[in-house]
Amino acid sequence: DVKVTQSSRYLVKRTGEKVFLECVQDMDHENMFWYRQDPGLGLRLIYFSYDVKMKEKGDIPEGYSVSREKKERFSLILESASTNQTSMYLCASSKGGVYNEQFFGPGTRLTVL
Amino acid sequence: AQKVTQAQTEISVVEKEDVTLDCVYETRDTTYYLFWYKQPPSGELVFLIRRNSFDEQNEISGRYSWNFQKSTSSFNFTITASQVVDSAVYFCALSEPQRISGGYNKLIFGAGTRLAVHP
Repeated sequence: DVKVTQSSRYLVKRTGEKVFLECVQDMDHENMFWYRQDPGLGLRLIYFSYDVKMKEKGDIPEGYSVSREKKERFSLILESASTNQTSMYLCASSKGGVYNEQFFGPGTRLTVL
Repeated sequence: AQKVTQAQTEISVVEKEDVTLDCVYETRDTTYYLFWYKQPPSGELVFLIRRNSFDEQNEISGRYSWNFQKSTSSFNFTITASQVVDSAVYFCALSEPQRISGGYNKLIFGAGTRLAVHP
């Protein structure tokens, strides 16, 4: 079965802390994505990666960075967390090719106090 | 610019009713893909269907059916004889095919429609 896992379901951090969100997929997918989900806004793309060590900015990259050192792992980093980064974060992966659907992890609900 | 509009924020129905979730999209591309995803209370988005812009055939899968009309830029989703397990948030998404490396779909999501099915 296809599987995308995320390191935490719930996370509470303080303003200014450095936060790491980890995502692992076991499907040997080339592409990986980080989204944030906010009520009334749907999902918005933060960053994506189409290969190891390759990354591209999505629609809302400000305040975030990413790392992909291995094919199966894609990390989202909040260098200095702020309260407006309180959100649900969803990781996804897909095979290479423009036709393929994305598979999603269960999400991490991050609260920044 | 690409955009997906799901005008229905919340829908509430009683079990066994039919329900249609609307999706309207905007794009200048001639080649694109449309998707529907379901997000149950557990949080994980589940892929339901993909449709490419050259295929306007409607599709039926059990109690689910999809109506794609290019003329009105709509890709609506109907659940027949709804069940409590259908309660979820449903997202429609439009792709921007990207041909970097092996290629991937950049998805633009609508805001989602929350469906509540009551016994």
